[in-house]
Amino acid sequence: AQSVTQLGSHVSVSEGALVLLRCNYSSSVPPYLFWYVQYPNQGLQLLLKYTTGATLVKGINGFEAEFKKSETSFHLTKPSAHMSDAAEYFCAVTSGYSTLTFGKGTMLLVSP
Amino acid sequence: DTEVTQTPKHLVMGMTNKKSLKCEQHMGHRAMYWYKQKAKKPPELMFVYSYEKLSINESVPSRFSPECPNSSLLNLHLHALQPEDSALYLCASSPSGNGGGQGSGNTIYFGEGSWLTVV
Repeated sequence: AQSVTQLGSHVSVSEGALVLLRCNYSSSVPPYLFWYVQYPNQGLQLLLKYTTGATLVKGINGFEAEFKKSETSFHLTKPSAHMSDAAEYFCAVTSGYSTLTFGKGTMLLVSP
Repeated sequence: DTEVTQTPKHLVMGMTNKKSLKCEQHMGHRAMYWYKQKAKKPPELMFVYSYEKLSINESVPSRFSPECPNSSLLNLHLHALQPEDSALYLCASSPSGNGGGQGSGNTIYFGEGSWLTVV
């Protein structure tokens, strides 16, 4: 069985501030982890993913995430928020041959 | 090109209508998916096709009927829907399905979705 917990349904930051969106997972086998972004009235776009290898993963739009097995975490960060980053962010996990399990999502709000 | 194309973008249908949602991908992916997403919620898996065969049906009511005519196309036929079926329907694909799952961390690529309103 696998599950994902995203801490905070809403996160508010100021433009230029650090973005930190938290994701913890549960998996009985080594996980594959994903972050997707959903802009209003659009589908999901892949930001980044971790499968194997380097634990610090860089994605699009300046986002990165670090896989920490000991903490069962895969938090998403960006050094400096832009207004255009305002969106819903979903963390997701799969364990090889299982289907994708999503977290409940975190809405990122960016103020000027 | 990582593109999944869905049509129509918006659909309004009555409870007695029959309509279809269409999805197309030309990435050579062998797994295709239908998800349903309600407002402020994550996507919920409905169906998975792997190598053009239905491999997962997540106990979806029979008023939703999927069809995979070939490896590039996926349809969702709708009949006698209820107002609570109003949602964003997302199609997705991944390189392989390996019998239903993603397989080795393959990425699932999503389309822009079809907004369905049942009146």
